[in-house]
Amino acid sequence: DAKTTQPPSMDCAEGRAANLPCNHSTISGNEYVYWYRQIHSQGPQYIIHGLKNNETNEMASLIITEDRKSSTLILPHATLRDTAVYYCIVRPLVGNYQLIWGAGTKLIIKP
Amino acid sequence: KAGVTQTPRYLIKTRGQQVTLSCSPISGHRSVSWYQQTPGQGLQFLFEYFSETQRNKGNFPGRFSGRQFSNSRSEMNVSTLELGDSALYLCASRPTQIRGGETQYFGPGTRLLVL
Repeated sequence: DAKTTQPPSMDCAEGRAANLPCNHSTISGNEYVYWYRQIHSQGPQYIIHGLKNNETNEMASLIITEDRKSSTLILPHATLRDTAVYYCIVRPLVGNYQLIWGAGTKLIIKP
Repeated sequence: KAGVTQTPRYLIKTRGQQVTLSCSPISGHRSVSWYQQTPGQGLQFLFEYFSETQRNKGNFPGRFSGRQFSNSRSEMNVSTLELGDSALYLCASRPTQIRGGETQYFGPGTRLLVL
């Protein structure tokens, strides 16, 4: 079973920041938080990942709470092309690299 | 650098037939994983190959098999197809370096329809 909980759907206005929450209350100290997105029936696209510290790249920012039990993916200026299903996944640093997927959050960007 | 490629992109088969799907990982990536995605079950892990050896396997029947070649390219085979095998089959590769080798990058998938 997936170790994360996400809201099934969210809306965001185009040009605004989209904040997608993820709960991973049972995360252990040796597990990363990964975010992927899937645009209608395409292959999942890697977005960002982190362990303890907040991370930022050209696509998004990842904010991980100090207790690591939850995180938020931030798309700073959402566009219509960001409409997708966003998946939050936890997986160990080493060992079993298989990704266990939940249902994700369907993010709809509205004009 | 080219991404993960999968062939064919679309496939129609009938029950009882077998099918082989192909995946070429990103250049330099040595690990290939396969996933099945269906509307009912979501994304599920099938297996992972590294250095031509299966390293990890999901909970799928023996009709699902795979292999990896010395150039890291991988194939998966499904024998005696069932209607429930209709799905998007996704391949993902990763570098398997000690640092930064964990991130998996996905191909576009092969959409299989079993009639």
